[in-house]
Amino acid sequence: EAGVTQFPSHSVIEKGQTVTLRCDPISGHDNLYWYRRVMGKEIKFLLHFVKESKQDESGMPNNRFLAERTGGTYSTLKVQPAELEDSGVYFCASSVDRGPSVADTQYFGPGTRLTVL
Amino acid sequence: QQQVKQSPQSLIVQKGGISIINCAYENTAFDYFPWYQQFPGKGPALLIAIRPDVSEKKEGRFTISFNKSAKQFSLHIMDSQPGDSATYFCAARGTSGTYKYIFGTGTRLKVLA
Repeated sequence: EAGVTQFPSHSVIEKGQTVTLRCDPISGHDNLYWYRRVMGKEIKFLLHFVKESKQDESGMPNNRFLAERTGGTYSTLKVQPAELEDSGVYFCASSVDRGPSVADTQYFGPGTRLTVL
Repeated sequence: QQQVKQSPQSLIVQKGGISIINCAYENTAFDYFPWYQQFPGKGPALLIAIRPDVSEKKEGRFTISFNKSAKQFSLHIMDSQPGDSATYFCAARGTSGTYKYIFGTGTRLKVLA
């Protein structure tokens, strides 16, 4: 079974440019999460999709970030325009959905390292 | 506002020794506490997890100890091996609505051969 994949693995852009990160979850996983880790800090939640719907986007830093999950499959996270503080590693995770009483494992992708110069 | 505090930030242990990483949480509305292990260039991978109604869980050389009244939990790695060298994250899952995890800041473990 293929794991969670993310593209690109690294991205270096100038401040003000646009970057789009992509995540392909494990097939059949309805839950998809985006997290971010800034150097040396905690892995911080950004948002959660259930299929194509945004369940929780409370962690999105501001309206420069836009996440989509077309057809409930892969997801994209666009940063426009990018700022210096957006640098970090962006992780995607996915899990099955058996309801809130079951703690389904979140499987993480390898991450995209974003550097904004 | 961080709700899960993790320590130490880094840890060096001799091969065969015991590695101990501690986490404390503030919010009582957490119902699941996983530990993730991350190797360089890879994503975090679930190592072991515990529910708050259990005080200890052991899987091989890895043990979680959970103290609900103190709102603390810890990871113990017995007979630590160089292959255990990685970054470890504790996390907690909230009980309402979303299944998001609140992570600690991570501990870089190095096991010396």
